[in-house]
Amino acid sequence: EDKVVQSPLSLVVHEGDTVTLNCSYEVTNFRSLLWYKQEKKAPTFLFMLTSSGIEKKSGRLSSILDKKELSSILNITATQTGDSAIYLCAVELLNAGNMLTFGGGTRLMVKP
Amino acid sequence: DAGVIQSPRHEVTEMGQEVTLRCKPISGHNSLFWYRQTMMRGLELLIYFNNNVPIDDSGMPEDRFSAKMPNASFSTLKIQPSEPRDSAVYFCASRRDRGSNQPQHFGDGTRLSIL
Repeated sequence: EDKVVQSPLSLVVHEGDTVTLNCSYEVTNFRSLLWYKQEKKAPTFLFMLTSSGIEKKSGRLSSILDKKELSSILNITATQTGDSAIYLCAVELLNAGNMLTFGGGTRLMVKP
Repeated sequence: DAGVIQSPRHEVTEMGQEVTLRCKPISGHNSLFWYRQTMMRGLELLIYFNNNVPIDDSGMPEDRFSAKMPNASFSTLKIQPSEPRDSAVYFCASRRDRGSNQPQHFGDGTRLSIL
């Protein structure tokens, strides 16, 4: 059975801290790994990773995939209260209609 | 650009009633996905359509759940009869298959409460 596991489950930090969120997966026919941010409503797309070792960056957020270790990390530097959200990792499978299998998410709270 | 549009935003109804959730995907997207999110089980895929055709409905929990996509711009998810354990947030997402590396884009969800 395909499985995506995220850690930690939750995290509380103060503004300015750097955080690292983890995602590991056990799936057949891996195609890509995606990160989403969910505040109160819709999950919003952050990154899609297909190649190992290539960092994707958007402002203070960055992510990298390690296909050998079957994992990915999402880094957030200089955190702000607006970064408080649930961060979801999902794995897209080949030949499965691009279906996504989601992890349980990491709930991040950034305190002022 | 309009995103994925879902309605209603909230629905509260008594068990046994029929519930219909609606979704309008992003124009030009040819895959549509219905998800359910709960605290216990996270985000689970219920069914997905490609070019209006249901491709995989293995995530649909029971026969009480059904989904349709009569055209490229509209889909419904129906629960009949509804039960309290169906209470969850239901998300619709769409994706453009043409070209590579296109992510799914989510609507704001319908928060469903069955009393």
